[in-house]
Amino acid sequence: GNSVTQMEGPVTLSEEAFLTINCTYTATGYPSLFWYVQYPGEGLQLLLKATKADDKGSNKGFEATYRKETTSFHLEKGSVQVSDSAVYFCALSENQAGTALIFGKGTTLSVSS
Amino acid sequence: DVKVTQSSRYLVKRTGEKVFLECVQDMDHENMFWYRQDPGLGLRLIYFSYDVKMKEKGDIPEGYSVSREKKERFSLILESASTNQTSMYLCASSLPPLAVPPDTQYFGPGTRLTVL
Repeated sequence: GNSVTQMEGPVTLSEEAFLTINCTYTATGYPSLFWYVQYPGEGLQLLLKATKADDKGSNKGFEATYRKETTSFHLEKGSVQVSDSAVYFCALSENQAGTALIFGKGTTLSVSS
Repeated sequence: DVKVTQSSRYLVKRTGEKVFLECVQDMDHENMFWYRQDPGLGLRLIYFSYDVKMKEKGDIPEGYSVSREKKERFSLILESASTNQTSMYLCASSLPPLAVPPDTQYFGPGTRLTVL
C-alpha cells in the first residue's frame, strides 16, 4: 500500500542553521504531497503542498520539491528561527474519492538561540 | 477564515465511561476525519466520513465509533473508555479530492484525553 517515510528526530539546530527534513513516499498513480506543521499545543496546519512532479511548494521560507524519480519531497529552509520549533509531518493524497491523507510519523525540530 | 473546533481541549474520564468527542467545521466540507496522535507513532486514522451518515474505518477503528448526522458535525465515541485510549485526538475536514486545493485538510486544536 501507499506510505510515507520521514527521517526520525528530534532534529536540533542553532538559529540561522540550514534545515533539511527528508521525506520519501511509496504510491501508485499520481499523488499530491504535503507538509504540515504542528506548533506546541496546537493542531496541524498546512505548510506547503505540491500536486505534480517537479512542482515546488513554498511558504514562510520553507520549500519542498516533488521529485517523482526519487519519490521524495524533502523539506528545506535556509535559515531557521526559534519560532520554527515544531513537529513537521509529510503526507500524501492519492487523489481518489473516499480516501484520506497518509501521514508520516512526524519529525520534531528544536531550534535554539 | 476556516475553522474546525473541538468540544474540549482537555478531558479526564474513568475506565468504562462512554466518551463523546465533538468536532464542528464551518467550511461546508464533505470530508471529516478523526485521528489519534501518540509519541513515536504519528497520526493514525480512526474513522473518516465523506458524506452525511457515511463512515469509513481507518487504520485503528477498534474501540471507537462515529456519528455524522449533519454535514458540519462529526462525533467520535468511545463506547467504554480504556487506559490505552489515553491520547491526543485530532479532528480534520477537507473538500473532496480533485477540488482546488486538492484534499488540503484543516485541523482542529485537538483534545487531550486521559483515561484513568
